[in-house]
Amino acid sequence: AQKITQTQPGMFVQEKEAVTLDCTYDTSDPSYGLFWYKQPSSGEMIFLIYQGSYDQQNATEGRYSLNFQKARKSANLVISASQLGDSAMYFCAMREGFSGSRLTFGEGTQLTVNP
Amino acid sequence: ETGVTQTPRHLVMGMTNKKSLKCEQHLGHNAMYWYKQSAKKPLELMFVYNFKEQTENNSVPSRFSPECPNSSHLFLHLHTLQPEDSALYLCASSSIGTGGGSNQPQHFGDGTRLSIL
Repeated sequence: AQKITQTQPGMFVQEKEAVTLDCTYDTSDPSYGLFWYKQPSSGEMIFLIYQGSYDQQNATEGRYSLNFQKARKSANLVISASQLGDSAMYFCAMREGFSGSRLTFGEGTQLTVNP
Repeated sequence: ETGVTQTPRHLVMGMTNKKSLKCEQHLGHNAMYWYKQSAKKPLELMFVYNFKEQTENNSVPSRFSPECPNSSHLFLHLHTLQPEDSALYLCASSSIGTGGGSNQPQHFGDGTRLSIL
């Protein structure tokens, strides 16, 4: 079974609107971390936001927030007030275990922000 | 300026050539990684180095040979590559301690786009 599933190959949103990118994960480890990265067409991977499995509150970072539903094993990224520069690939990734350094990535969602 | 620098940005090589990709991190991290990103595929972890020691080789063919002389530098030596090796190769680094990787993200370089003729 895939550890990270991103079911939306492509998403479109109007500028200034909010958009939710879905991510579900699969792990039996009680300790894990979830990360979201943005990859513009230029190729670099930009870290956006982190959610730990023991965190009581949903993570927020500027216009990015994470809708963490532990029982459903989902960690959806919400981007508020979309901007044209938000057009990019978005990857969800998971680190399992307290001492692990390995990240497992999903297949990504291509977000296009329309003017 | 990015904390993780990869050179070259683009590389075109024949199947019989030998070349090397270089990665340097200026973030004081102690773990470094090589990933391969092919079109329409998730990132594939290739190698992990923790404190200069290789801790993971994800069944990578021997035509890819990593080298980590110190915690700041990571190389990927390429030899006799195949057309299917054409991809974006990303280097990343992170900070891990005796307590674990916890919430420290991996920081990525801009990648080397490799084309095999």
